[in-house]
Amino acid sequence: NAGVMQNPRHLVRRRGQEARLRCSPMKGHSHVYWYRQLPEEGLKFMVYLQKENIIDESGMPKERFSAEFPKEGPSILRIQQVVRGDSAAYFCASSTESYEQYFGPGTRLTVT
Amino acid sequence: KQEVTQIPAALSVPEGENLVLNCSFTDSAIYNLQWFRQDPGKGLTSLLLIQSSQREQTSGRLNASLDKSSGRSTLYIAASQPGDSATYLCAVTYSGANSKLTFGKGITLSVRP
Repeated sequence: NAGVMQNPRHLVRRRGQEARLRCSPMKGHSHVYWYRQLPEEGLKFMVYLQKENIIDESGMPKERFSAEFPKEGPSILRIQQVVRGDSAAYFCASSTESYEQYFGPGTRLTVT
Repeated sequence: KQEVTQIPAALSVPEGENLVLNCSFTDSAIYNLQWFRQDPGKGLTSLLLIQSSQREQTSGRLNASLDKSSGRSTLYIAASQPGDSATYLCAVTYSGANSKLTFGKGITLSVRP
């Protein structure tokens, strides 16, 4: 059973470009969470999704950020018009109803 | 405000020492608590999960305890090894919080040979 997969592992974008981060949950997991880890800060919750539904997006910045988890395919975290402050490690986690979350290796976004 | 605190931010110990990492949380209404390990530039590895009804969990040289009334958890590492060097993160799922994790900033542990 493969773990949570994220790609790309490293992503470099210029200011103003779009970043698309992908997350494939563990097999049998229908809950996906996105977290962001800024330099020198702890991990912060961004959004919680189940298939085709956003359950909690209380941690998402109001503008430029969006997330989806379609019926088929991976979950996508999309950042439009990236700025330097978006540079961070973005982690995806998945779970079943037991709430124990399993994390992927992360995508490290660098905005130049 | 629901927060998780881990103090100190860093710890250095000689190999072989038994050690305790502390975690405190502000609201006793928790669903569960997880301890994670993060190596530099890597993802998170789940070490132990304690449900709110449990007092402790053990896995190998690791033992985690939970005291909801005092808002504390400890991770005990027996006979530490250089390979234990990493950042240890405590995370809480608060009741009614839609299962999202609230993380502490972590404790960076260095075990000296």
